[in-house]
Amino acid sequence: EAQVTQNPRYLITVTGKKLTVTCSQNMNHEYMSWYRQDPGLGLRQIYYSMNVEVTDKGDVPEGYKVSRKEKRNFPLILESPSPNQTSLYFCASTPARTAYGGELFFGEGSRLTVL
Amino acid sequence: GESVGLHLPTLSVQEGDNSIINCAYSNSASDYFIWYKQESGKGPQFIIDIRSNMDKRQGQRVTVLLNKTVKHLSLQIAATQPGDSAVYFCAERVRGGYNKLIFGAGTRLAVHP
Repeated sequence: EAQVTQNPRYLITVTGKKLTVTCSQNMNHEYMSWYRQDPGLGLRQIYYSMNVEVTDKGDVPEGYKVSRKEKRNFPLILESPSPNQTSLYFCASTPARTAYGGELFFGEGSRLTVL
Repeated sequence: GESVGLHLPTLSVQEGDNSIINCAYSNSASDYFIWYKQESGKGPQFIIDIRSNMDKRQGQRVTVLLNKTVKHLSLQIAATQPGDSAVYFCAERVRGGYNKLIFGAGTRLAVHP
């Protein structure tokens, strides 16, 4: 089954404790992206990657890091989480071959709470 | 998830009625638009898209209308069903912004039997 898989789905952590949210897709998509979703706001892009070893900042990159060592994986790293990073996080992917790359395939989401 | 929908405008409809969800987009340079559906506890799912050189596009039970003059997008759902209950987002892509989508805050659709 074609899918984007995120782990963990739920996490409660404390300020300053490094954590990684993994994202893996089995569709051989070149493009991957991370979003956060907060109440009353639309999805906001954190980082994206056009292909292996190519990453770039989105609209809200502060406090986050990413890496793209393999095509299928795009982990989101919070080196020193803070309470304002409490949010619902989504990973998404799409093939790069289409001129309009908007049809993103989303994971199920990772709800992160930072105390 | 559900907590995201609590702060959103809500459209309540009766099962079987038609639903119209509206979206105002921000950038006149946007050339591609998408509607996503997000059910409680799940990630957004693609519903339908439309390019700026079109005014209307139809899918199965859904129609998207684009009015570039007033920068307005709408999603029409025919014969709304309980399974249509979800948060609906529109997204726009600014010309030249490959895969850079700007998402609206969303509208919650509640379908009552």
